[in-house]
Amino acid sequence: QKEVEQDPGPLSVPEGAIVSLNCTYSNSAFQYFMWYRQYSRKGPELLMYTYSSGNKEDGRFTAQVDKSSKYISLFIRDSQPSDSATYLCAMTLNNAGNMLTFGGGTRLMVKP
Amino acid sequence: EPEVTQTPSHQVTQMGQEVILRCVPISNHLYFYWYRQILGQKVEFLVSFYNNEISEKSEIFDDQFSVERPDGSNFTLKIRSTKLEDSAMYFCASSERGRVNEQYFGPGTRLTVT
Repeated sequence: QKEVEQDPGPLSVPEGAIVSLNCTYSNSAFQYFMWYRQYSRKGPELLMYTYSSGNKEDGRFTAQVDKSSKYISLFIRDSQPSDSATYLCAMTLNNAGNMLTFGGGTRLMVKP
Repeated sequence: EPEVTQTPSHQVTQMGQEVILRCVPISNHLYFYWYRQILGQKVEFLVSFYNNEISEKSEIFDDQFSVERPDGSNFTLKIRSTKLEDSAMYFCASSERGRVNEQYFGPGTRLTVT
């Protein structure tokens, strides 16, 4: 079983739609959960950071963590063509090394 | 806004050659990382570095790899004898004390081994 899984997509939505992106994971010891956005051939850009279970909102973005189900989500409201990118979830244990374990990413396309 | 920078953006080398990839982390950050991403695959952790020591390394980070902070601003990854399978994007990242899990990535160096 892979540690962190994401549907690779592509997910195609019209401009203005609400987008839901998800990850599942197998290691219940993960404590910190991140969402990164990656444009083609660029570095990952940190969008959201959540500790343990619950919701966190930042502008049009909302991150949810359900540790009991080992499931995390990123919601994008009022999606824009500029949101078109690959979205990576990442998670880490609370240890000295701070190693991030990434999902494979979901490619999102927002059409005008 | 401060950002992580990396040089070169693209490096082509022949199999067996040594390469050094360079990174300048965000200035007040104390934790440094290298990751790689083979084309079409996941971003993979290589190594983390704090207080002039390796904190953690993955199975990928074998004896061919080394890291160094040669001065107060640069952080380097050296691959001693490159293999074809080392071809990938290499990303440097950094994080600050108290927010160690918020890692900020550079734009990457594309390494092509021929």
